[in-house]
Amino acid sequence: SQQGEEDPQALSIQEGENATMNCSYKTSINNLQWYRQNSGRGLVHLILIRSNEREKHSGRLRVTLDTSKKSSSLLITASRAADTASYFCATRASNTGKLIFGQGTTLQVKP
Amino acid sequence: NAGVTQTPKFRVLKTGQSMTLLCAQDMNHEYMYWYRQDPGMGLRLIHYSVGEGTTAKGEVPDGYNVSRLKKQNFLLGLESAAPSQTSVYFCASSRLETYNEQFFGPGTRLTVL
Repeated sequence: SQQGEEDPQALSIQEGENATMNCSYKTSINNLQWYRQNSGRGLVHLILIRSNEREKHSGRLRVTLDTSKKSSSLLITASRAADTASYFCATRASNTGKLIFGQGTTLQVKP
Repeated sequence: NAGVTQTPKFRVLKTGQSMTLLCAQDMNHEYMYWYRQDPGMGLRLIHYSVGEGTTAKGEVPDGYNVSRLKKQNFLLGLESAAPSQTSVYFCASSRLETYNEQFFGPGTRLTVL
């Protein structure tokens, strides 16, 4: 069963705006990862945040993790048309060690 | 360094036919995975392998078999294809440690008529 639930399912913004995507999960985790998928391509790893971390940055990406609420958010600042893609959160469960993916958020950035 | 490669890229099968999808990685990763991706859903794990000669079931293993005879290769087999197996299949690999990302192949689009 899917552990990660993402919100919103689809997001459309103008270039230069910020995009925020949220992910909720159910069980205890070791880490949470965000991946990006361009249309017709495989997934590409963006950023990993460990369960004992609360915030992490990588370039224009900012990820937060709230283990008490079992939720994470991905913020993309100053979005570009090239950021148009689907974004997936994936949680590594503490008990199984497996990586479980959410359903994804489809982001469209209009030029 | 090619990363993770998958063959074929596209395939059309008739119900009941069999086929094998090949995944290869040149990063010396211990772990390899097969996922399927269906519209509106995330990736679902079919089978995975934690090392050469070992395989294990994932979330949706029925109708599929796998083999890992060599560390760099992970094969996914469909013995008798069904329309419900129409999907995009992704292979991935990762190092052994917990805090490591997975590297994905470009995918195989399979249609079963």
